[in-house]
Amino acid sequence: GIQVEQSPPDLILQEGANSTLRCNFSDSVNNLQWFHQNPWGQLINLFYIPSGTKQNGRLSATTVATERYSLLYISSSQTTDSGVYFCAVEQGSGGGADGLTFGKGTHLIIQP
Amino acid sequence: DTEVTQTPKHLVMGMTNKKSLKCEQHMGHRAMYWYKQKAKKPPELMFVYSYEKLSINESVPSRFSPECPNSSLLNLHLHALQPEDSALYLCASSSGQNYGYTFGSGTRLTVV
Repeated sequence: GIQVEQSPPDLILQEGANSTLRCNFSDSVNNLQWFHQNPWGQLINLFYIPSGTKQNGRLSATTVATERYSLLYISSSQTTDSGVYFCAVEQGSGGGADGLTFGKGTHLIIQP
Repeated sequence: DTEVTQTPKHLVMGMTNKKSLKCEQHMGHRAMYWYKQKAKKPPELMFVYSYEKLSINESVPSRFSPECPNSSLLNLHLHALQPEDSALYLCASSSGQNYGYTFGSGTRLTVV
């Protein structure tokens, strides 16, 4: 099956800092999503981004499908950004029939 | 309604008990999923239902029995579980189009 690698595994930053999280995947995909999992376990969808660039407030993401990687940028970090960030991909013909495969995640801690 | 609702939020059960987890979505999504997440690990796909039919079973033990009564509901029936089955169980749905997956807040299961 497809391999999804995220880096770094852990990241500790001061409030106000910027960060870049990376996701590499081993094969072509028809879906790529970034999620934030809060301490209560809720997976919050940040971006659906199989290709291109998107921005939402302090967060932005870029996927270069031809080179099989995606980047998540967090600017002006706040303590509420703490948690685990997952990259997840789907192969196959699309349409949600194959399920998402998750990377191991980046555990982000923002200190006040 | 853009949510996936899971009940119960917490469940403690003995190894001889029978219990069920429930998942509901009213977004008209055609695909629904069960994921299992152990502590400090990424979610792992268990089952995929597409158009109310089971399309993927990721070699899950028979003590986990999924059911899709209609296009809005997904159940996971539990019987004779082991302590190692304790985990966060996440339900998700997908429209199969360009919006990605939406996850519920999960059921935190403890088997004693």
